[in-house]
Amino acid sequence: DAGITQSPRHKVTETGTPVTLRCHQTENHRYMYWYRQDPGHGLRLIHYSYGVKDTDKGEVSDGYSVSRSKTEDFLLTLESATSSQTSVYFCAISDGGGTEAFFGQGTRLTVV
Amino acid sequence: DQQVKQNSPSLSVQEGRISILNCDYTNSMFDYFLWYKKYPAEGPTFLISISSIKDKNEDGRFTVFLNKSAKHLSLHIVPSQPGDSAVYFCAASATTGDYKLSFGAGTTVTVRA
Repeated sequence: DAGITQSPRHKVTETGTPVTLRCHQTENHRYMYWYRQDPGHGLRLIHYSYGVKDTDKGEVSDGYSVSRSKTEDFLLTLESATSSQTSVYFCAISDGGGTEAFFGQGTRLTVV
Repeated sequence: DQQVKQNSPSLSVQEGRISILNCDYTNSMFDYFLWYKKYPAEGPTFLISISSIKDKNEDGRFTVFLNKSAKHLSLHIVPSQPGDSAVYFCAASATTGDYKLSFGAGTTVTVRA
């Protein structure tokens, strides 16, 4: 299995509070991605990174920010959590085009 | 606008029979396609992929077919087994540019004994 770890695995937070999810890899893959999974929508890309300090938006980036200060870590921050951000969040890593992405175990986030 | 579409939310198949999952895409820049399998409370796991230079790729019980002109791909599972019951996601990317991986909404497969 690819060395990719997400933390925390579960979190319950209140509306309006900031939340940071962490993705850590030991594979030295260049690309890292954050997805959210919701019923009927599959996996939707939030943000991705193509190198240290190089990030870009995905299709559902509003309300989220990311940072990548080291190759191995990719952080997803909800600046002010809303109930619509209740979801399961997955981190993925890859070596880029023409290669498969490997996923973490997911973080279940509930905003109450 | 979803660029990868799986129009069948669910599929029920008898054990030992063939499962056929379908996927359509709209972005003509996509040239690498993948299928992922996902069990509850786990992350998606890579199943099989195909490059646009091929129209078929086979790995054991799993075969993926690509029809570029129709922008359509399918996954065949033969024979279906109870352990194949899972959600299957189709994904696509371009091998040049930003390498974003776009996913469909998924198809839940249930294999009946």
